[in-house]
Amino acid sequence: SYVLTQPPSLSVAPGETARITCGGDKIGSKSVHWYHQKPGQAPVLVIYSDSDRPSGIPERFSGSNSGNTATLTISRVEAGDEADYYCQVWDSRATVFGGGTKLTVL
Amino acid sequence: QITLKESGPTLVKPTQTLTLTCTFSGFSLSARGVGVGWIRQPPGKALEWLALIYWDDDKRYSPSLKSRLTITKDTSKNQVVLTMTNMDPVDTATYYCAHSVGFGELFFDYWGQGTVVTVSS
Repeated sequence: SYVLTQPPSLSVAPGETARITCGGDKIGSKSVHWYHQKPGQAPVLVIYSDSDRPSGIPERFSGSNSGNTATLTISRVEAGDEADYYCQVWDSRATVFGGGTKLTVL
Repeated sequence: QITLKESGPTLVKPTQTLTLTCTFSGFSLSARGVGVGWIRQPPGKALEWLALIYWDDDKRYSPSLKSRLTITKDTSKNQVVLTMTNMDPVDTATYYCAHSVGFGELFFDYWGQGTVVTVSS
């Protein structure tokens, strides 16, 4: 089955840029979706189809996807961005999530 | 306004069958392109996709759990039901249902609040 690899954790200072990666074999040929999840809450879609933002998601959130790596970029990080972030793709008739990255805002 | 809510037992015994219901509003599961999926999350662990059912009754299952899962829909009641057989303590998790729409590589744009299921004797 298809495997998505994310770094377990990432720490950034407020105002800095966070780049969360999601690795997979030829992931650039797939459509990647991103979610964030705060403790005790359901996941929230933040980026779909590699780089599109749902309504209500700040422009600070952006995405890219090429080769074997997709990246979620959060500019001007705020304390409220602290959460777990998951990537998701489809492979054949199944979908998979990455292992998640815990973003800590210092 | 799209909402989804999961319901079912909070505690099941090993080897029992789990039945979860997702009751939704704000959309129709008979509308072209619409789907409802189930995703779970063990305590402190990552999200794991389980199953998805489409408006046309096409069904998709996680390959690793396919033999234990059945997903069905009742369009008239706005419900999707997931059954999982032969429950084990490792199946202890929060179970979410989520809405998706479109064609191809779907994403989940609305989620329920989740329901916690504990498997223990």
